[in-house]
Amino acid sequence: DARVTQTPRHKVTEMGQEVTMRCQPILGHNTVFWYRQTMMQGLELLAYFRNRAPLDDSGMPKDRFSAEMPDATLATLKIQPSEPRDSAVYFCASGSLGASGRGAQYFGPGTRLTVL
Amino acid sequence: AQTVTQSQPEMSVQEAETVTLSCTYDTSENNYYLFWYKQPPSRQMILVIRQEAYKQQNATENRFSVNFQKAAKSFSLKISDSQLGDTAMYFCAFMKLSGTYKYIFGTGTRLKVLA
Repeated sequence: DARVTQTPRHKVTEMGQEVTMRCQPILGHNTVFWYRQTMMQGLELLAYFRNRAPLDDSGMPKDRFSAEMPDATLATLKIQPSEPRDSAVYFCASGSLGASGRGAQYFGPGTRLTVL
Repeated sequence: AQTVTQSQPEMSVQEAETVTLSCTYDTSENNYYLFWYKQPPSRQMILVIRQEAYKQQNATENRFSVNFQKAAKSFSLKISDSQLGDTAMYFCAFMKLSGTYKYIFGTGTRLKVLA
Protein backbone atom coordinates (compact mmCIF):
# COMPACT_ATOMS: atom_id res chain seq x y z
CA ASP A 1 0.00 0.00 0.00
CA ALA A 2 1.79 3.12 -1.24
CA ARG A 3 1.97 6.01 1.18
CA VAL A 4 3.77 9.26 1.80
CA THR A 5 6.47 9.06 4.45
CA GLN A 6 7.82 11.89 6.56
CA THR A 7 10.77 12.13 8.90
CA PRO A 8 11.17 12.91 11.69
CA ARG A 9 7.74 12.36 13.18
CA HIS A 10 8.54 14.54 16.15
CA LYS A 11 11.16 17.22 16.62
CA VAL A 12 11.91 19.35 19.66
CA THR A 13 14.52 22.02 19.19
CA GLU A 14 15.67 25.29 20.64
CA MET A 15 15.08 28.66 19.12
CA GLY A 16 17.72 29.54 16.57
CA GLN A 17 18.48 25.99 15.53
CA GLU A 18 18.11 24.69 11.99
CA VAL A 19 15.31 22.19 11.37
CA THR A 20 15.09 19.93 8.33
CA MET A 21 11.99 17.90 7.55
CA ARG A 22 11.98 15.26 4.86
CA CYS A 23 9.26 13.74 2.74
CA GLN A 24 9.18 10.80 0.37
CA PRO A 25 6.19 11.16 -1.98
CA ILE A 26 4.31 8.23 -3.46
CA LEU A 27 6.23 6.79 -6.39
CA GLY A 28 4.90 8.15 -9.66
CA HIS A 29 3.25 11.23 -8.17
CA ASN A 30 4.39 14.40 -9.88
CA THR A 31 3.15 17.02 -7.43
CA VAL A 32 4.30 17.56 -3.84
CA PHE A 33 2.86 19.96 -1.28
CA TRP A 34 4.03 21.24 2.10
CA TYR A 35 1.38 22.35 4.61
CA ARG A 36 1.52 23.69 8.12
CA GLN A 37 -1.28 23.13 10.61
CA THR A 38 -1.83 25.10 13.80
CA MET A 39 -4.86 25.56 16.00
CA MET A 40 -5.01 29.26 15.22
CA GLN A 41 -4.40 29.23 11.46
CA GLY A 42 -5.68 25.82 10.45
CA LEU A 43 -4.11 24.27 7.35
CA GLU A 44 -1.83 26.59 5.42
CA LEU A 45 -0.15 25.76 2.12
CA LEU A 46 3.52 26.68 2.35
CA ALA A 47 4.87 25.51 -1.01
CA TYR A 48 4.37 23.06 -3.79
CA PHE A 49 6.28 21.44 -6.61
CA ARG A 50 5.32 19.87 -9.89
CA ASN A 51 7.82 17.61 -11.60
CA ARG A 52 10.30 18.82 -8.97
CA ALA A 53 10.00 22.45 -10.04
CA PRO A 54 8.78 24.89 -7.39
CA LEU A 55 5.47 26.39 -8.55
CA ASP A 56 4.35 28.40 -5.59
CA ASP A 57 5.98 29.22 -2.28
CA SER A 58 4.00 32.34 -1.53
CA GLY A 59 2.74 30.88 1.74
CA MET A 60 6.22 30.47 3.13
CA PRO A 61 8.20 33.04 5.16
CA LYS A 62 11.07 33.49 2.74
CA ASP A 63 13.59 34.79 5.21
CA ARG A 64 13.75 31.58 7.22
CA PHE A 65 11.99 28.82 5.29
CA SER A 66 13.20 27.00 2.20
CA ALA A 67 11.79 24.06 0.29
CA GLU A 68 13.56 21.91 -2.24
CA MET A 69 13.09 18.73 -4.18
CA PRO A 70 16.55 17.39 -4.99
CA ASP A 71 15.12 14.32 -6.69
CA ALA A 72 11.77 12.70 -7.39
CA THR A 73 11.88 10.66 -4.19
CA LEU A 74 12.76 13.40 -1.73
CA ALA A 75 11.32 16.76 -0.74
CA THR A 76 12.78 18.84 2.07
CA LEU A 77 11.55 21.75 4.14
CA LYS A 78 14.12 23.70 6.13
CA ILE A 79 13.72 26.35 8.79
CA GLN A 80 16.76 28.41 9.70
CA PRO A 81 16.73 29.90 12.26
CA SER A 82 13.71 28.37 13.95
CA GLU A 83 11.43 30.40 16.22
CA PRO A 84 8.79 29.38 18.79
CA ARG A 85 6.02 30.57 16.44
CA ASP A 86 7.10 27.86 13.97
CA SER A 87 5.78 25.21 16.36
CA ALA A 88 3.18 23.29 14.38
CA VAL A 89 2.49 20.07 12.55
CA TYR A 90 4.02 20.06 9.07
CA PHE A 91 2.44 17.84 6.46
CA CYS A 92 3.73 16.71 3.13
CA ALA A 93 1.24 15.52 0.52
CA SER A 94 1.66 14.14 -2.96
CA GLY A 95 -0.65 13.73 -5.90
CA SER A 96 -0.89 13.15 -9.61
CA LEU A 97 -3.28 15.17 -11.71
CA GLY A 98 -4.79 12.96 -14.37
CA ALA A 99 -7.42 10.30 -14.91
CA SER A 100 -5.91 7.94 -12.38
CA GLY A 101 -5.13 10.54 -9.73
CA ARG A 102 -8.25 12.62 -10.22
CA GLY A 103 -6.85 15.45 -8.18
CA ALA A 104 -6.48 13.65 -4.86
CA GLN A 105 -3.70 14.58 -2.50
CA TYR A 106 -2.32 11.90 -0.21
CA PHE A 107 -0.91 13.11 3.06
CA GLY A 108 1.99 11.90 5.11
CA PRO A 109 1.69 11.42 8.88
CA GLY A 110 3.18 14.84 9.61
CA THR A 111 6.13 16.16 11.59
CA ARG A 112 5.21 17.68 14.92
CA LEU A 113 7.69 20.48 15.53
CA THR A 114 8.18 22.16 18.88
CA VAL A 115 10.54 25.11 19.11
CA LEU A 116 11.42 26.09 22.67
CA ALA B 1 -11.28 33.67 -5.67
CA GLN B 2 -12.71 30.45 -4.40
CA THR B 3 -13.92 30.01 -0.83
CA VAL B 4 -15.06 26.99 1.14
CA THR B 5 -17.32 27.30 4.16
CA GLN B 6 -18.06 24.71 6.80
CA SER B 7 -20.63 26.30 9.05
CA GLN B 8 -20.71 23.62 11.75
CA PRO B 9 -17.61 23.85 13.96
CA GLU B 10 -18.69 20.88 16.09
CA MET B 11 -21.23 18.09 15.86
CA SER B 12 -22.02 14.93 17.73
CA VAL B 13 -23.95 11.79 16.81
CA GLN B 14 -24.90 8.62 18.56
CA GLU B 15 -23.21 5.43 17.48
CA ALA B 16 -25.10 3.69 14.63
CA GLU B 17 -26.99 6.89 13.75
CA THR B 18 -26.62 8.99 10.60
CA VAL B 19 -25.05 12.43 10.51
CA THR B 20 -24.65 15.02 7.75
CA LEU B 21 -21.83 17.54 7.60
CA SER B 22 -22.35 20.60 5.46
CA CYS B 23 -19.99 22.36 3.08
CA THR B 24 -20.66 25.22 0.72
CA TYR B 25 -18.28 26.81 -1.72
CA ASP B 26 -18.08 29.77 -3.99
CA THR B 27 -16.54 29.63 -7.43
CA SER B 28 -17.04 30.83 -10.97
CA GLU B 29 -15.32 27.73 -12.33
CA ASN B 30 -17.28 25.03 -14.09
CA ASN B 31 -14.80 22.18 -13.81
CA TYR B 32 -13.50 21.25 -10.41
CA TYR B 33 -13.17 18.51 -7.83
CA LEU B 34 -14.47 18.41 -4.31
CA PHE B 35 -13.11 16.30 -1.48
CA TRP B 36 -13.79 15.33 2.09
CA TYR B 37 -10.84 14.52 4.33
CA LYS B 38 -10.92 13.03 7.79
CA GLN B 39 -8.35 13.87 10.46
CA PRO B 40 -8.64 11.60 13.52
CA PRO B 41 -6.75 12.30 16.77
CA SER B 42 -3.68 10.67 15.21
CA ARG B 43 -3.49 13.77 12.96
CA GLN B 44 -3.25 11.71 9.78
CA MET B 45 -5.23 13.33 6.95
CA ILE B 46 -7.24 10.63 5.21
CA LEU B 47 -9.13 11.03 1.96
CA VAL B 48 -12.73 9.99 2.53
CA ILE B 49 -14.46 10.72 -0.74
CA ARG B 50 -14.15 12.81 -3.90
CA GLN B 51 -16.61 14.22 -6.41
CA GLU B 52 -15.99 15.48 -9.92
CA ALA B 53 -18.18 18.47 -10.70
CA TYR B 54 -19.06 17.18 -14.18
CA LYS B 55 -20.61 14.04 -12.69
CA GLN B 56 -24.23 14.34 -11.68
CA GLN B 57 -24.19 11.12 -9.71
CA ASN B 58 -23.30 11.54 -6.06
CA ALA B 59 -20.16 9.72 -4.94
CA THR B 60 -20.38 6.95 -2.35
CA GLU B 61 -17.74 5.04 -0.43
CA ASN B 62 -19.19 2.39 1.84
CA ARG B 63 -20.90 4.28 4.73
CA PHE B 64 -19.90 7.67 3.33
CA SER B 65 -21.88 9.46 0.66
CA VAL B 66 -22.20 13.00 -0.58
CA ASN B 67 -25.07 15.19 -1.64
CA PHE B 68 -23.61 17.34 -4.41
CA GLN B 69 -25.78 20.23 -5.51
CA LYS B 70 -23.80 22.07 -8.17
CA ALA B 71 -26.25 24.90 -8.73
CA ALA B 72 -26.48 25.56 -5.01
CA LYS B 73 -22.70 25.06 -4.60
CA SER B 74 -23.28 22.64 -1.79
CA PHE B 75 -21.35 19.47 -0.99
CA SER B 76 -22.50 17.72 2.17
CA LEU B 77 -21.13 14.50 3.60
CA LYS B 78 -23.44 11.86 5.03
CA ILE B 79 -22.06 9.24 7.38
CA SER B 80 -24.37 6.29 7.91
CA ASP B 81 -24.18 3.81 10.78
CA SER B 82 -21.70 6.05 12.62
CA GLN B 83 -18.88 4.28 14.39
CA LEU B 84 -16.63 5.39 17.24
CA GLY B 85 -13.74 5.41 14.78
CA ASP B 86 -15.47 8.13 12.79
CA THR B 87 -14.66 10.59 15.57
CA ALA B 88 -12.43 13.11 13.82
CA MET B 89 -12.10 16.51 12.27
CA TYR B 90 -13.59 16.60 8.78
CA PHE B 91 -12.36 19.01 6.14
CA CYS B 92 -14.04 19.88 2.88
CA ALA B 93 -11.71 20.89 0.02
CA PHE B 94 -12.14 22.42 -3.42
CA MET B 95 -9.76 22.17 -6.37
CA LYS B 96 -10.27 23.76 -9.76
CA LEU B 97 -9.13 21.81 -12.80
CA SER B 98 -7.34 24.67 -14.47
CA GLY B 99 -4.12 26.18 -13.24
CA THR B 100 -2.56 25.46 -9.95
CA TYR B 101 -3.92 22.17 -8.57
CA LYS B 102 -4.07 23.79 -5.13
CA TYR B 103 -6.74 22.92 -2.61
CA ILE B 104 -8.94 25.44 -0.86
CA PHE B 105 -9.82 23.94 2.51
CA GLY B 106 -12.72 24.71 4.78
CA THR B 107 -12.12 25.33 8.47
CA GLY B 108 -13.31 21.88 9.45
CA THR B 109 -16.09 20.27 11.47
CA ARG B 110 -15.20 18.36 14.61
CA LEU B 111 -17.39 15.26 14.81
CA LYS B 112 -17.73 13.21 17.96
CA VAL B 113 -19.44 9.83 17.87
CA LEU B 114 -21.00 8.97 21.21
CA ALA B 115 -21.25 5.43 22.56
